[in-house]
Amino acid sequence: DAGVTQSPTHLIKTRGQQVTLRCSPKSGHDTVSWYQQALGQGPQFIFQYYEEEERQRGNFPDRFSGHQFPNYSSELNVNALWLGDSALYLCAGSVRGSTDTQYFGPGTRLTVL
Amino acid sequence: LAKTTQPISMDSYEGQEVNITCSHNNIATNDYITWYQQFPSQGPRFIIQGYKTKVTNEVASLFIPADRKSSTLSLPRVSLSDTAVYYCLVGDVFSGGYNKLIFGAGTRLAVHP
Repeated sequence: DAGVTQSPTHLIKTRGQQVTLRCSPKSGHDTVSWYQQALGQGPQFIFQYYEEEERQRGNFPDRFSGHQFPNYSSELNVNALWLGDSALYLCAGSVRGSTDTQYFGPGTRLTVL
Repeated sequence: LAKTTQPISMDSYEGQEVNITCSHNNIATNDYITWYQQFPSQGPRFIIQGYKTKVTNEVASLFIPADRKSSTLSLPRVSLSDTAVYYCLVGDVFSGGYNKLIFGAGTRLAVHP
């Protein structure tokens, strides 16, 4: 158990809708990264938050946005959903400046119909 | 970030030793090599990390030759529960904590009775 929680576990949406996914990193982890994992592929980096600001971003459109709260928890928002957004969304916590690994949560399975 | 190449899939039997090799010809001086394990519908789990020579923990061993252009993850006496996807990642863990992880497709290991 990596101590990272994500909610909800599963989610079904229709095209055009908006979705918000939530993540609470392991205690003491101040940096949260989000990844998208399509079926049969490796996770793809979306963005990373530290001190409530987006610090890095992968190759994802502006429809993907996020937020980090003072308690380090984070949200991932996706607007105007389309079928290709169906995936497992993973969040990972880490400590800024540490060489320690990132700890992943169990993910949220998003299905867009 | 250095690109990695690893076999798409491997098969083994319970009790055997499994070696998964990863190629990373363009590894940089500050890059470390990290391996993650992922079970279906779960987040990746850190297995082992190393810079050079050999690293061993309670789960696996990591062998890195002197030129560091490849590495081998060794799983001793695998069991059915080791069936998973294994990812090799290469990156600079000291880059101010900007530890964005770049996953490839991974190696799907199937352990048979």
